[in-house]
Amino acid sequence: SYVLTQPPSVSVAPGQTARITCGGDPTGSKSVHWYQQKAGQAPVLVVYDDSDRPSGIPERFSGSNSGNTATLTISRVEAGDEADYYCQVWDSNSDHVVFGGGTKLTVL
Amino acid sequence: EVQLLESGGGLVQPGGSLRLSCAASGFTFSSYAMSWVRQAPGKGLEWVSTISGSGGGTYYADSVKGRFTISRDDAKKSLSLQMDSLRAEDTAIYYCSRVSGESRDYWGQGSLVTVSS
Repeated sequence: SYVLTQPPSVSVAPGQTARITCGGDPTGSKSVHWYQQKAGQAPVLVVYDDSDRPSGIPERFSGSNSGNTATLTISRVEAGDEADYYCQVWDSNSDHVVFGGGTKLTVL
Repeated sequence: EVQLLESGGGLVQPGGSLRLSCAASGFTFSSYAMSWVRQAPGKGLEWVSTISGSGGGTYYADSVKGRFTISRDDAKKSLSLQMDSLRAEDTAIYYCSRVSGESRDYWGQGSLVTVSS
């Protein structure tokens, strides 16, 4: 079955740039979507189709996808960005939806 | 405004059954595929099941196939998940979500299912 691998945690100081990776074999041939989940809340879609943002999501959130790695980039990180972030793809071989294990973003 | 409201969660014994419902509003329900995604306590997101917009296609994670059944009532704008032969490892918050392309663009607040004796 298809597997997406994320680092368990990423730490960044306020105002800096956070990069969260999502590895798959490969991710470049699939559309990758990213979700933000704050403590005690439901997930929120922040990037879809590798690099598009839903309405209402700040431009500070961006995505890229090439080869075996997709990346969620959060520029000018704020305290309010502290959350768990999950990547997701659809595996056409199995008709299964696959989530990465999640990355906890800590704002120092 | 798109809203998804889950109900039906609770405490059930191992081997028992439970039916979750999701009431949708604010969009043309029949035009969208819908999904259930769950999250065990302290764990990550796990896809459970998806049903196509027409209801003609249903898809399940291997962990629930044969035990869970997804269905929809477009007239009532309602999504359901019938869960049978429940196990302790099915304990989780179950989220209803709308499918847009290959992503899930709207989520409910979740319904907690606890399987324990």
